[in-house]
Amino acid sequence: GENVEQHPSTLSVQEGDSAVIKCTYSDSASNYFPWYKQELGKGPQLIIDIRSNVGEKKDQRIAVTLNKTAKHFSLHITETQPEDSAVYFCAATTPQGSSNTGKLIFGQGTTLQVKP
Amino acid sequence: DSGVTQTPKHLITATGQRVTLRCSPRSGDLSVYWYQQSLDQGLQFLIQYYNGEERAKGNILERFSAQQFPDLHSELNLSSLELGDSALYFCASSPNPSGGLYQETQYFGPGTRLLVL
Repeated sequence: GENVEQHPSTLSVQEGDSAVIKCTYSDSASNYFPWYKQELGKGPQLIIDIRSNVGEKKDQRIAVTLNKTAKHFSLHITETQPEDSAVYFCAATTPQGSSNTGKLIFGQGTTLQVKP
Repeated sequence: DSGVTQTPKHLITATGQRVTLRCSPRSGDLSVYWYQQSLDQGLQFLIQYYNGEERAKGNILERFSAQQFPDLHSELNLSSLELGDSALYFCASSPNPSGGLYQETQYFGPGTRLLVL
């Protein structure tokens, strides 16, 4: 089955710097890759996602890139702010097809700390 | 606020007991997913229901079961509880499939924190 590896496990940056979190996946059939942000005491919140038919997607300070050949995808946060501090999870899933199944396989998480 | 609600927020119980966690999906969503988050295992998929039917199963223990009711709310039943079952349990829901290849976005609830003593 699918396996997702995420690095680094912790990341500390200065406010205003960029942060990059990387994930690799094992199943070449995976075609949907969401990123979630989880703040203390809350559920994961989707921040950006990418489908396998595009290589990059951007939403303001957040961008995700996908390299299908190498089977890895990355989250880029620019101009980091203290409120970006949280745990970030990448995930992958395989085609939904007619069975309407869609389990997400998550990476282990990255704790991002943005120092003021 | 994702629109997914879960109750209770916290649950403290003893080993050997049985508990029921409840989830209400976003209005109109037919798919409900259950995930377990523990320190050593991370976020793990347990089970998915679509319009009342089981659609996918992950590493869900035989002591655990779930169902989705006609009003689309779902319950996760955990029995013969062990210390290792202490974790956060999340429910997520997703919009109706568009018929394409891609998974629809999953929206997560705030979770139920289970502590087994």
